[in-house]
Amino acid sequence: DQQVKQNSPSLSVQEGRISILNCDYTNSMFDYFLWYKKYPAEGPTFLISISSIKDKNEDGRFTVFLNKSAKHLSLHIVPSQPGDSAVYFCAARSRSESNAGGTSYGKLTFGQGTILTVHP
Amino acid sequence: DSGVTQTPKHLITATGQRVTLRCSPRSGDLSVYWYQQSLDQGLQFLIQYYNGEERAKGNILERFSAQQFPDLHSELNLSSLELGDSALYFCASSVGVTSGYPYNEQFFGPGTRLTVL
Repeated sequence: DQQVKQNSPSLSVQEGRISILNCDYTNSMFDYFLWYKKYPAEGPTFLISISSIKDKNEDGRFTVFLNKSAKHLSLHIVPSQPGDSAVYFCAARSRSESNAGGTSYGKLTFGQGTILTVHP
Repeated sequence: DSGVTQTPKHLITATGQRVTLRCSPRSGDLSVYWYQQSLDQGLQFLIQYYNGEERAKGNILERFSAQQFPDLHSELNLSSLELGDSALYFCASSVGVTSGYPYNEQFFGPGTRLTVL
């Protein structure tokens, strides 16, 4: 059961244009959403996040939009640069009950990733 | 550099064998998470430890186990290895207060690539 889906395996964009990466989710209990960027031979790097109580968060060239009613989020990169070429993962946080009691907010559920290629 | 280190970078072994993957979290981080990334898959959460105690469990096989030591480094043990266990294994760490924080960013290590032949 894929609770977080990135339906586009790849996206190709011209330098200077907008890149839009999409993500859909099914679990209404997700309370925080994140985008991670991954270069080959490296671990994912946190890019930007948004709480479920907001619908937009902006950080420089990166903006994340959340549509809770549609269970959809998107990452906009404007303007796109060749250095942005990487795999982008959408992730969502859920609450977990720990075996020892109490709760953990650590578990992240990731999408399959979208390969973004920005051409000069 | 995220500050999270993982060893070894690559591991090639045979079916039926047992391996141990090691992770050292960022200085000051109390939580360690393990994720598995198989071919064409997103990262799958395996398990979380916080200050030495197991805090959350994902789809971790019974053949797999993990622990976090007093110095906060963590090891993921994979036994009776099968071909399908070939994957990238990532460790992440965070400050990891388990409640009362809106979010603790997870910093990922470079991963260990496991190949089972």
